[in-house]
Amino acid sequence: AQSVTQLDSHVSVSEGTPVLLRCNYSSSYSPSLFWYVQHPNKGLQLLLKYTSAATLVKGINGFEAEFKKSETSFHLTKPSAHMSDAAEYFCVVSSGFQKLVFGTGTRLLVSP
Amino acid sequence: EAGVVQSPRYKIIEKKQPVAFWCNPISGHNTLYWYLQNLGQGPELLIRYENEEAVDDSQLPKDRFSAERLKGVDSTLKIQPAELGDSAVYLCASSLDTGEYEQYFGPGTRLTVT
Repeated sequence: AQSVTQLDSHVSVSEGTPVLLRCNYSSSYSPSLFWYVQHPNKGLQLLLKYTSAATLVKGINGFEAEFKKSETSFHLTKPSAHMSDAAEYFCVVSSGFQKLVFGTGTRLLVSP
Repeated sequence: EAGVVQSPRYKIIEKKQPVAFWCNPISGHNTLYWYLQNLGQGPELLIRYENEEAVDDSQLPKDRFSAERLKGVDSTLKIQPAELGDSAVYLCASSLDTGEYEQYFGPGTRLTVT
């Protein structure tokens, strides 16, 4: 079975400071990994995806994530937070695009 | 291009009443998904359609939940009768096809059962 663990339920940062959202995965075979963002009253949006190509993945809005097999991690980072980044972020694992297994989410709070 | 459309956005019903949710996927998308998102949790897949065929409904509680996608386009998810524990957000998503294709999510229907 596949699963993901998001290590922080809430992360608070100041605008302009770096963002780190942590995710560990469990998979019995080579996984595909994703980060989705959910703004209030809006649909989930794909930020980035890892599908066994480059281990450092760049996504939209300046976010990136690094796949580390030895640590079974796929942490999401951004060098400088913006107020508009405040949202819920989900780490997701899949054996393909069909069946996505979501983590419990990390709420990112950005203060001025 | 219009995204995934869901209606209603909000629904409040009393327990034991029936309720239905509607989803219109992105035009041309063959695969449609229904997810359940409980408060403070990530979405969980209920059912996946490839065209009009339900190819994965293993997580759908079939005693009270049903779904259909008769013409392989829009879809309806029904609960009858609703229970208090069904209060959640019901998300619909679609993808071009099954496989390495991104899922696009609708805004969801927030159901409150009183």
